[in-house]
Amino acid sequence: QKEVEQDPGPLSVPEGAIVSLNCTYSNSAFQYFMWYRQYSRKGPELLMYTYSSGNKEDGRFTAQVDKSSKYISLFIRDSQPSDSATYLCAMASGNTPLVFGKGTRLSVIA
Amino acid sequence: GAVVSQHPSRVICKSGTSVKIECRSLDFQATTMFWYRQFPKQSLMLMATSNEGSKATYEQGVEKDKFLINHASLTLSTLTVTSAHPEDSSFYICSARGTGPYEQYFGPGTRLTVT
Repeated sequence: QKEVEQDPGPLSVPEGAIVSLNCTYSNSAFQYFMWYRQYSRKGPELLMYTYSSGNKEDGRFTAQVDKSSKYISLFIRDSQPSDSATYLCAMASGNTPLVFGKGTRLSVIA
Repeated sequence: GAVVSQHPSRVICKSGTSVKIECRSLDFQATTMFWYRQFPKQSLMLMATSNEGSKATYEQGVEKDKFLINHASLTLSTLTVTSAHPEDSSFYICSARGTGPYEQYFGPGTRLTVT
């Protein structure tokens, strides 16, 4: 079992839809959870980070962490074509290197 | 978020030559820098971790003599691909970490093509 599992998609949704992106993990030591957005041929951009369990909201984006289920989610409300990108979850324990999911390719169709 | 620059953004070189890629944290001091490699439609593959003033820690399977990493200051790390071969062609991305595990920011990447 890989440390972090993420469905690669592709995921295609109409503009305005609510998007749900998810990752599961196996290492219970993970405490820091991040979501990155990567446009084609660009470096990943940090979208949100969460420490331990709980929710965090930033504009149209909401990150959720359920440590009991080892499951994290990123919700995008009112999705826009500009949200079309690959979304990578990442997690770490302490100062260890981030462990990334494979990324989910999202297309928002106008 | 914090800014990490990477230079050059694209480089084409001949087989057997060496190529140096620079990574700079522009508005924060990076205690740790990371180098990743990414193949098309694949996730990031960590190559090595470096701390300022220390030798880099390479991931299993990464040749340290081929991929030379120097972390000379809290704002600059370099990756030198020595004696490059076509199979080294890839997208190389650096990342810099500030004071917290979640404060890890990525550069825009360097596309290396070895002919």
